[in-house]
Amino acid sequence: SQQGEEDPQALSIQEGENATMNCSYKTSINNLQWYRQNSGRGLVHLILIRSNEREKHSGRLRVTLDTSKKSSSLLITASRAADTASYFCATVVTQGGSEKLVFGKGTKLTVNP
Amino acid sequence: NAGVMQNPRHLVRRRGQEARLRCSPMKGHSHVYWYRQLPEEGLKFMVYLQKENIIDESGMPKERFSAEFPKEGPSILRIQQVVRGDSAAYFCASSPFRVGTGELFFGEGSRLTVL
Repeated sequence: SQQGEEDPQALSIQEGENATMNCSYKTSINNLQWYRQNSGRGLVHLILIRSNEREKHSGRLRVTLDTSKKSSSLLITASRAADTASYFCATVVTQGGSEKLVFGKGTKLTVNP
Repeated sequence: NAGVMQNPRHLVRRRGQEARLRCSPMKGHSHVYWYRQLPEEGLKFMVYLQKENIIDESGMPKERFSAEFPKEGPSILRIQQVVRGDSAAYFCASSPFRVGTGELFFGEGSRLTVL
């Protein structure tokens, strides 16, 4: 079952603009992670935000977390054509002694030069 | 330190054949996860293994699919008697600890096409 759901499903912007992607999840979390996937490639970890954090920055990335609303957002500032990729949020689901990372369906970002 | 290595990158099989996908985790990583991704979709968890043990196979179909992570050698995802619906990208990821504490490191995937 999906734990995280991103929106929008697709986003097209011009270079230099900011891109905001949102993620909602269902159960309580210890942390929430964002990953990036270039077309035809594997996923690359971008940033992890813990449940006791509200905001985190990494370069041009800004992630927020609102545990009361069970939602997170990823902001990419001053976007570049090279940011074109799919972005996924993921949360850890604990079940019967196992912990696994469950991903949303992703936001496909296109940055036009 | 080499990343997660998956092979083959592309595999073509006819219906009824077997597919074997291999994954060598990063050095020092004892936790391995397999995911499946259909075109334009997210990753679906299949199985979580530690050395010689299957921890969680709740996402893996009970028929035709099996996974192992032996003491020596790569983790193997095996699909017997493949059907067209098995066509997908299969990703392996590894971590040094349980995933609740940190990130996963992904391979580039194995893309299976069933004719």
